[in-house]
Amino acid sequence: SQTIHQWPATLVQPVGSPLSLECTVEGTSNPNLYWYRQAAGRGLQLLFYSVGIGQISSEVPQNLSASRPQDRQFILSSKKLLLSDSGFYLCAWSLQRTNEKLFFGSGTQLSVL
Amino acid sequence: TQLLEQSPQFLSIQEGENLTVYCNSSSVFSSLQWYRQEPGEGPVLLVTVVTGGEVKKLKRLTFQFGDARKDSSLHITAAQPGDTGLYLCAVRPSGGSYIPTFGRGTSLIVHP
Repeated sequence: SQTIHQWPATLVQPVGSPLSLECTVEGTSNPNLYWYRQAAGRGLQLLFYSVGIGQISSEVPQNLSASRPQDRQFILSSKKLLLSDSGFYLCAWSLQRTNEKLFFGSGTQLSVL
Repeated sequence: TQLLEQSPQFLSIQEGENLTVYCNSSSVFSSLQWYRQEPGEGPVLLVTVVTGGEVKKLKRLTFQFGDARKDSSLHITAAQPGDTGLYLCAVRPSGGSYIPTFGRGTSLIVHP
């Protein structure tokens, strides 16, 4: 069965520090991968999506970047965090051929102080 | 402008009550999904509807897709505290986009 791992679960970082959030998927090949951000208990804002290794599309201009160094690994990064980067970050995957369902990780609560 | 409008934004009810939440848009969708998200967790898919007028039931939850495939409703019968969470609808807009778009959700609290 497929599983998705996302870590860390919580993170407190000072303004101006770097960020690296990692997401890995097991049990499937060549998935679509996504990074979403969620403001306190509200809807999901798509940040990045990827259809293959090294293929990253960005939905909104921002202080963040994403990379996909391996088929089932998706990394969200920042060189210098801003206060506005605080939020709940969710990684998700879907099957390439149907893309009907998204399977989410358990999320990372990032607080930038 | 939001592609999807979910209402109400917040709902606080007592155990045993019935409720309905809505997901509306002016656009036509090839499919629509409902997810439930518990605090501190990622959303979990509840159902996908693809046919106009379709009704799906999942225990006490009834999902309906509008005839014109522009809107959907979720009805919960005899709500329980375990139903507490954020209910999100998501769509793949017609026209080939495969990127799911989410509404802002309805936050439901069911009090014992």
